[in-house]
Amino acid sequence: AQRVTQPEKLLSVFKGAPVELKCNYSYSGSPELFWYVQYSRQRLQLLLRHISRESIKGFTADLNKGETSFHLKKPFAQEEDSAMYYCALTRDDKIIFGKGTRLHILP
Amino acid sequence: SQTIHQWPATLVQPVGSPLSLECTVEGTSNPNLYWYRQAAGRGLQLLFYSVGIGQISSEVPQNLSASRPQDRQFILSSKKLLLSDSGFYLCAYGQGSSSYNSPLHFGNGTRLTVT
Repeated sequence: AQRVTQPEKLLSVFKGAPVELKCNYSYSGSPELFWYVQYSRQRLQLLLRHISRESIKGFTADLNKGETSFHLKKPFAQEEDSAMYYCALTRDDKIIFGKGTRLHILP
Repeated sequence: SQTIHQWPATLVQPVGSPLSLECTVEGTSNPNLYWYRQAAGRGLQLLFYSVGIGQISSEVPQNLSASRPQDRQFILSSKKLLLSDSGFYLCAYGQGSSSYNSPLHFGNGTRLTVT
């Protein structure tokens, strides 16, 4: 069965330091992967998707099929990056989410 | 523009009482609709999804049910609430007949407390 694993519940990073939020998945087909973000008192929203190969708010994520990973990275953390981040996998019409990682940017 | 409405925002219900949470979408047709439960440490758990009127897929056996009486209306229900039904419920929609390249748009959520 398809599964999304985010091993870190909480990640604390100093402002200006690099950020990497880990996401591993298990899926037998060709996955479609997303990162969603929830800022304090805001709705859960899409951050980026692997198919677009885009950089949003300085974040990027590369799909590594060999390692079945889709880690989210940013070279220099900013205080406004503090939020809850969810990795998600789409299979047909189902979207499966990981348990989420809370990113805390330290001043 | 497309919007999603979910209500009520908060709800306190006694054990054994019925439940009805409603979600409606505007500005799009034939969306895929989803109910999730969000819990600390457990992430977003997919409860139900629907690809069309009257079509409901259940992901997790539980005390809840879902219905889609209209194209852009999705209802989460229970005949008799349990304490374990307490949680934060999120409705979401995706565009088109497939979620490929279609991100989810979430409502504001309903905080349900069963007492």
